[in-house]
Amino acid sequence: DQQVKQNSPSLSVQEGRISILNCDYTNSMFDYFLWYKKYPAEGPTFLISISSIKDKNEDGRFTVFLNKSAKHLSLHIVPSQPGDSAVYFCAAEANTNAGKSTFGDGTTLTVKP
Amino acid sequence: KAGVTQTPRYLIKTRGQQVTLSCSPISGHRSVSWYQQTPGQGLQFLFEYFSETQRNKGNFPGRFSGRQFSNSRSEMNVSTLELGDSALYLCASRANVGSSTDTQYFGPGTRLTVL
Repeated sequence: DQQVKQNSPSLSVQEGRISILNCDYTNSMFDYFLWYKKYPAEGPTFLISISSIKDKNEDGRFTVFLNKSAKHLSLHIVPSQPGDSAVYFCAAEANTNAGKSTFGDGTTLTVKP
Repeated sequence: KAGVTQTPRYLIKTRGQQVTLSCSPISGHRSVSWYQQTPGQGLQFLFEYFSETQRNKGNFPGRFSGRQFSNSRSEMNVSTLELGDSALYLCASRANVGSSTDTQYFGPGTRLTVL
């Protein structure tokens, strides 16, 4: 049973436009959500996170939205840049079990110049 | 500060052999977690160590084991290798445990190929 799902394996957008990456989860115990970015031959890098007590968190061009009732979160990148091309992983944790992250399968984002 | 380092970066083994992977966390970080990433898959949690004790364990068979030393360095061992163990093994460190807000930093991974 996959508890965190990223249903789009890939996404392609034009430079300057918005990129929206989606993630769904099933475990109601999850109360902290994170997005990581991964380039080839490198480990994932933390990008942005959101606690379940919030519905939005913004950091520069990156905004994460959380819809708890729908168990859905999304990452918005505005404007998208070619350097954003990477694999994006959504992850979730339960604060009662912090340290055990459950990851989605990732979405490969390609930003075309 | 130096980042999380993992050795070796690449490894080729044959079925039935065993392998040991090493991870050095960021200086001062006391929590180390291990993940397995197979092609087209997300990261699967293997285990987490803190103060030389295993705190959490994922759903992997007993062939996968790990340990942490007093200097926080960690090793993971896979015995009786199977073809399906071919994967990228990632190590991540955190300063402490108990809070999800503590950022997790990943190493570059060890690419294990089992022939």
